[in-house]
Amino acid sequence: GAGVSQSPRYKVAKRGQDVALRCDPISGHVSLFWYQQALGQGPEFLTYFQNEAQLDKSGLPSDRFFAERPEGSVSTLKIQRTQKEDSAVYLCASSPYSSGSSYNEQFFGPGTRLTVL
Amino acid sequence: QQQVKQSPQSLIVQKGGIPIINCAYENTAFDYFPWYQQFPGKGPALLIAIRPDVSEKKEGRFTISFNKSAKQFSLHIMDSQPGDSATYFCAASVSSGTYKYIFGTGTRLKVLA
Repeated sequence: GAGVSQSPRYKVAKRGQDVALRCDPISGHVSLFWYQQALGQGPEFLTYFQNEAQLDKSGLPSDRFFAERPEGSVSTLKIQRTQKEDSAVYLCASSPYSSGSSYNEQFFGPGTRLTVL
Repeated sequence: QQQVKQSPQSLIVQKGGIPIINCAYENTAFDYFPWYQQFPGKGPALLIAIRPDVSEKKEGRFTISFNKSAKQFSLHIMDSQPGDSATYFCAASVSSGTYKYIFGTGTRLKVLA
């Protein structure tokens, strides 16, 4: 059984470049989350999808951040005009449960480490 | 009110010791409290989770103690081993919403052989 996979695992970008980070959730998982983890810190919520619908994007730090999940499976997090402060590990998590369920378990991928020079 | 405060920041114990990591929260709407273990270069992995209707939950060597009135919960690792050396995160979420996790800042545990 494959877990959550993310690609690339490492990305180096020059300031101002656009980047796209991919998440392949566990097959059949309804819910998908993106988190940002700064060095030495806990993950911070960015956005949440239930199937293809983006139900919560309250954690996206600026309008340079955009996420999509067009077919309710694979998701892409795009960061436009990257800045140094965007350097972090971006974690994707999926869950078989939908919002409002009494079960909340999330399964995390290995993350993409983004370094902006 | 959305914060989860975690302590200590780091912890060193001898093999066989019982490290204890504490978390506190303010939002009484939180109703799910997981603990995650993270090794360097890996994503967080769920260890154990608890709901507020239970005061203690044990799975293998890991135990969560929950104090609803104090709004605190803690992780105990029994008979700790060098392989338990990792960073541990507590988290909290609300089932009725999008159940996004609010994470603590993490505790770096080192178990000496």
